[in-house]
Amino acid sequence: NAGVTQTPKFQVLKTGQSMTLQCAQDMNHEYMSWYRQDPGMGLRLIHYSVGAGITDQGEVPNGYNVSRSTTEDFPLRLLSAAPSQTSVYFCASSYSGTLIYNEQFFGPGTRLTVL
Amino acid sequence: QKEVEQDPGPLSVPEGAIVSLNCTYSNSAFQYFMWYRQYSRKGPELLMYTYSSGNKEDGRFTAQVDKSSKYISLFIRDSQPSDSATYLCAMILISNFGNEKLTFGTGTRLTIIP
Repeated sequence: NAGVTQTPKFQVLKTGQSMTLQCAQDMNHEYMSWYRQDPGMGLRLIHYSVGAGITDQGEVPNGYNVSRSTTEDFPLRLLSAAPSQTSVYFCASSYSGTLIYNEQFFGPGTRLTVL
Repeated sequence: QKEVEQDPGPLSVPEGAIVSLNCTYSNSAFQYFMWYRQYSRKGPELLMYTYSSGNKEDGRFTAQVDKSSKYISLFIRDSQPSDSATYLCAMILISNFGNEKLTFGTGTRLTIIP
């Protein structure tokens, strides 16, 4: 199993550009989520999904869109990138959304710089 | 004030030493506690998971929870250079409506010197 994979590993954008961060998992997990990690802030939840066709907002959703058309994939879209979105983005998945019983598995991350 | 406070370090100790990593929290509703290890340029991976106050041991790692003081610790015995990483504490609270909220600490960067 590849686990959770993310592409690209690195990306540089100009302000106002759009892009999609890809996330895929091969563990047949129902729950998938996106976090951003910033110095001094810890991991913060952006969006999450409890299954195909179901998504919801996390702690810091503004400026990001998600969709979940399949169990395996959970892309994160930046519609109009801003310098404040410079961060390291992690995708995670778990068997279900009951976090107290299910370990979250994280991908390797995407480092995004917005100029 | 952040709900979860963690000293960012960096912390450098010689190989073989006992390492102590700590987090404090302000909300007594936090009930489940975790430690993640994150190697450089990698995603976090779950290291320890505890619920009740007291100690939980797994090999060289011991997780300690003191709910009365709102304080959790991770001890690493016989530290190895391969333990060099950033350690994140995390905790979950369950709301009155049954919703789970997961909050991470900012992480402590640890270096074990050979």
